[in-house]
Amino acid sequence: QVLLQESGPGRVKPSETLSLTCSVSGGSVSGYYWGWMRQPPGKRLEWIGNIYYSGPTTYNPSLRSRVTISVDTSKDQFSLKLRSVSAADTAVYYCARGRAWNDAFDIWGQGTVVTVSS
Amino acid sequence: EIVLTQSPGTLSLSPGERATLSCRASQNVDGNYLAWYQQKPGQSPRLLIYDASTRATGIPDRFSGSGSGTDFTLTISRLEPEDFAVYFCQRYGSSPLTFGGGTKVEIK
Repeated sequence: QVLLQESGPGRVKPSETLSLTCSVSGGSVSGYYWGWMRQPPGKRLEWIGNIYYSGPTTYNPSLRSRVTISVDTSKDQFSLKLRSVSAADTAVYYCARGRAWNDAFDIWGQGTVVTVSS
Repeated sequence: EIVLTQSPGTLSLSPGERATLSCRASQNVDGNYLAWYQQKPGQSPRLLIYDASTRATGIPDRFSGSGSGTDFTLTISRLEPEDFAVYFCQRYGSSPLTFGGGTKVEIK
């Protein structure tokens, strides 16, 4: 059974960089597509971006200038960095596995709350 | 960007009843690349339907998806107690992937 677990600081200061890692257990990142989503309080889910295990990425145009997603196949992890955060970036952040490139997500992590506050 | 509008916002039904949820897209959804998810409080989303009408692995056949173009429907034929949750749709296939605002199915 493949499980995903997000990890990282629960609080980030404005203007700093939000960094999260998604650890894959019970399986491997290799051969699969991975993504990050977030859900601000009271708002709908927002797709942040995707990565293929070999490295290609695609990002939401609304966040592209601030986002980097990377993968570490040796650790079965992939990561999210969001630069220059503000209160608007406060959300529950989810990692997930895509069925294919830019596809639906069939396995999700539990989500982690990130609050942007000084 | 394709905006997904779900209706109703809340659906109040009793166990055993039929639930019909709507997801309307602001533009044509190419390839009918439309998914449905279920989310319960404190849990992560669970994929129910992809490609508008294909049930994901392990999903009971009381869940069915239909529609094409801009109008899509999720139907739960007979509500079980565990089906009371929030349901949302997702459009995929090209960037940006987008999600609907969700429909809450609550016990009447």
